[in-house]
Amino acid sequence: SAVISQKPSRDICQRGTSLTIQCQVDSQVTMMFWYRQQPGQSLTLIATANQGSEATYESGFVIDKFPISRPNLTFSTLTVSNMSPEDSSIYLCSVEREGRETQYFGPGTRLLVL
Amino acid sequence: GENVEQHPSTLSVQEGDSAVIKCTYSDSASNYFPWYKQELGKRPQLIIDIRSNVGEKKDQRIAVTLNKTAKHFSLHITETQPEDSAVYFCAASYRFRGSTLGRLYFGRGTQLTVWP
Repeated sequence: SAVISQKPSRDICQRGTSLTIQCQVDSQVTMMFWYRQQPGQSLTLIATANQGSEATYESGFVIDKFPISRPNLTFSTLTVSNMSPEDSSIYLCSVEREGRETQYFGPGTRLLVL
Repeated sequence: GENVEQHPSTLSVQEGDSAVIKCTYSDSASNYFPWYKQELGKRPQLIIDIRSNVGEKKDQRIAVTLNKTAKHFSLHITETQPEDSAVYFCAASYRFRGSTLGRLYFGRGTQLTVWP
């Protein structure tokens, strides 16, 4: 399995500000994904982070609100922009290696927006 | 896109009893079905998965069954223990030779509580 870390692990932010979440993997992976999990809810895919090109966003999520970078095969960032209390959630990255079907999750970032 | 339904949303069992969680999917092209366990405050962790070329897979006290015709798959936990208490998520996806050609579609989750 891959060792995945996320920073920060948690944060409390004021509305209108932005937060960038980092996801680091200990080895190269093909696919990196960003999910949101609201309290007591399932996992909602925000986007697929593509290395060297723009992320692929799911319906209901836009680049202006959730810009994503993936400069290499081990690192990605998700920014939550112009935050509102509705953005309070856990944000998780996940990874897959080429040829391996298993998707592994990072520890998550707990975000509270006041 | 794919739609995954999961039932029940909550399940309480006595320690030592069996627990069964069921999921249905809508896209007949889906061929990969993982199950994740998420303990409170922790990340989801893969506990077992099954591919559409097999009907059943076991790993100690955990088993998953798949009925492709009916498009449903189930998680079976035998001899439950209090540490099995967690939220369990099923998911479905399409995989071609291990490559990711489709995203994972998750069910809504089942909160399993095992009483000592």
